Amino acid sequence: GAGVSQSPSNKVTEKGKDVELRCDPISGHTALYWYRQSLGQGLEFLIYFQGNSAPDKSGLPSDRFSAERTGGSVSTLTIQRTQQEDSAVYLCASSFAGTGGYEQYFGPGTRLTVT
Amino acid sequence: GENVEQHPSTLSVQEGDSAVIKCTYSDSASNYFPWYKQELGKRPQLIIDIRSNVGEKKDQRIAVTLNKTAKHFSLHITETQPEDSAVYFCAASTGGGNKLTFGTGTQLKVEL
Repeated sequence: GAGVSQSPSNKVTEKGKDVELRCDPISGHTALYWYRQSLGQGLEFLIYFQGNSAPDKSGLPSDRFSAERTGGSVSTLTIQRTQQEDSAVYLCASSFAGTGGYEQYFGPGTRLTVT
Repeated sequence: GENVEQHPSTLSVQEGDSAVIKCTYSDSASNYFPWYKQELGKRPQLIIDIRSNVGEKKDQRIAVTLNKTAKHFSLHITETQPEDSAVYFCAASTGGGNKLTFGTGTQLKVEL
């Protein structure tokens, strides 16, 4: 079946502009995660959605970052007033949810470059 | 919150040798420990995972061991092949929310 998809694959934007990144999770996965990977670095947790519960926003680096998940499926990560330090690959993942841990399937990522 | 440390940052082995990557975690409540492989320009992919009720798990040439007392876990790759060359990430989560805290990655290079 289809895996996690993300769009756009690449985004170049000017400092100060807003950007929206989209994630389509695997059908049936109730959990959705956003991570950020800076060049040569590990993955940094940003936000987590599980069903209709309030999202875990504990990883968002500033109030310029926000995300929503509509209808329990597609998610959009919005970065307002982008800064150069926001340049990174933004990865979305989805999984079944529950205690004990389940495999997170990653999308191909969106490479964001802020000039 | 959880903190995961990973060593070494780079590892070079000869084809056929074994490779070992080690991680430590700080939160004793963590109960799920996956390992991801990321090839250049590709998405991370799960290669093996272990839960806290198990001490060791094997899958062909790959094995993971977990020491809950010491709060560390390790990835073992035997009979390494050139296609094993990639960046490997360990991670830990406390299960309920399942958000993963990742280590900083190990660049494994398997030389012919």
